[in-house]
Order: sequence, then C-alpha cells, then structure tokens
Amino acid sequence: AQTVTQSQPEMSVQEAETVTLSCTYDTSESDYYLFWYKQPPSRQMILVIRQEAYKQQNATENRFSVNFQKAAKSFSLKISDSQLGDAAMYFCAYSGGNKLVFGAGTILRVKS
Amino acid sequence: GAVVSQHPSWVICKSGTSVKIECRSLDFQATTMFWYRQFPKQSLMLMATSNEGSKATYEQGVEKDKFLINHASLTLSTLTVTSAHPEDSSFYICSARKSPDYSSQFFGPGTRLTVL
Repeated sequence: AQTVTQSQPEMSVQEAETVTLSCTYDTSESDYYLFWYKQPPSRQMILVIRQEAYKQQNATENRFSVNFQKAAKSFSLKISDSQLGDAAMYFCAYSGGNKLVFGAGTILRVKS
Repeated sequence: GAVVSQHPSWVICKSGTSVKIECRSLDFQATTMFWYRQFPKQSLMLMATSNEGSKATYEQGVEKDKFLINHASLTLSTLTVTSAHPEDSSFYICSARKSPDYSSQFFGPGTRLTVL
C-alpha cells in the first residue's frame, strides 16, 4: 500500500521569507500524481500544486514550487515570499489510481 | 470552474437519530465521489468511494451499514449516518472527480456533525 509521510507537524516562517515543507512517499508504481493541498481555518481543501511523476520538470505555481525527486521518493513544497494568508495546514497527497492518500499534514504559521 | 457543494455545512443531532449529508457537483458531472472524515488537526481519512449507479466501495474498518452512501446521479452523492452516536461527531468532507483523469478531484467545504 502507498504511504505518504510528512515529518514536520508544525513549521513557522517570517512574512516575506521562504519555507520548505517536506514530504516523502512510498510506492511501487511508476505512473502517479503528487499533490499539495492547503486547508485554511475555513477547512476548505484547496489544491496548491500538482506533479505528474513522468514529468522531470518541477511544477511551479506563482510563489509555490516543488522539488520532486522521484528516485528518492521525495516531494517537498517551497513557498517563497510567504504571506499571512499562507498560514494553514498543508497536506501532501499521492494518487496512483482511484483514490488520494494523504500525509498527516504540516501546520504552517506565518509571523508578521 | 469546478465547484462542489455540501449541505448542510453543520448539523447537530441527538444520539440514535440519522443524519443525511449531500454532496453536489454544481458545474460538472462526477462519475466518482469520495467521502472523507477528518478529526481536528488530523489528516483526511477516506471512508468510501462512490460511483454513480453502483454500490459504494468502503475502506477497511468503515461500517457500511452505519455510513450509507448513495450516488443517485452524476451530480449528487449522499452520506447518511445511521443511529448516530457521539463518537460519530466529526468533520465530513466529500470530493468529486470530474473525469477519468484521477488528477482532477475537487473538494466540498465540509460538514461538521455534532451528535449529542
């Protein structure tokens, strides 16, 4: 079974600084998707970024980028120029077929 | 866009009663919907996968007779918590998949259930 591990329960970052959230996963499949979701206090799940495993190029969405290391099964999220609105719970997720497998989440706090 | 709604957003019920939660895809057809449960400051736990016109597939440990799922149309799935007990109190989230592309899963805003 696939597993997703987020080893950082909480992270803090100063406004305008950069922070990296870690994620590792385990799978025997070669074709899959990886995602980062944001869950703010409203609890609405918001897709931040996604990565197709067959693409070597790291995905980027404005201030959000990933470092995808397929051989190491690592998928970290970098948030640049952090803003107060980035404060939320962040979930790393894997999908190799029908369903999403989520990590435990990382609470990100942004200090002004 | 791809909008998913849930109704109600919160509900309080007495122990022993049943509660129905609706999940609707507003601007697309969803052949597959998913139901999750989330406890405070924890991750989402998949309860079941719902395919339109067929029986739901439940995850291990989820009681199918307690959490009844019906996916009656391509835009509506319902979760009924039967004979609710305080331990069923939780945040329930649905998501809908827009197409066979398993990358396109969109989430509803969730329903907070409190059982007294």
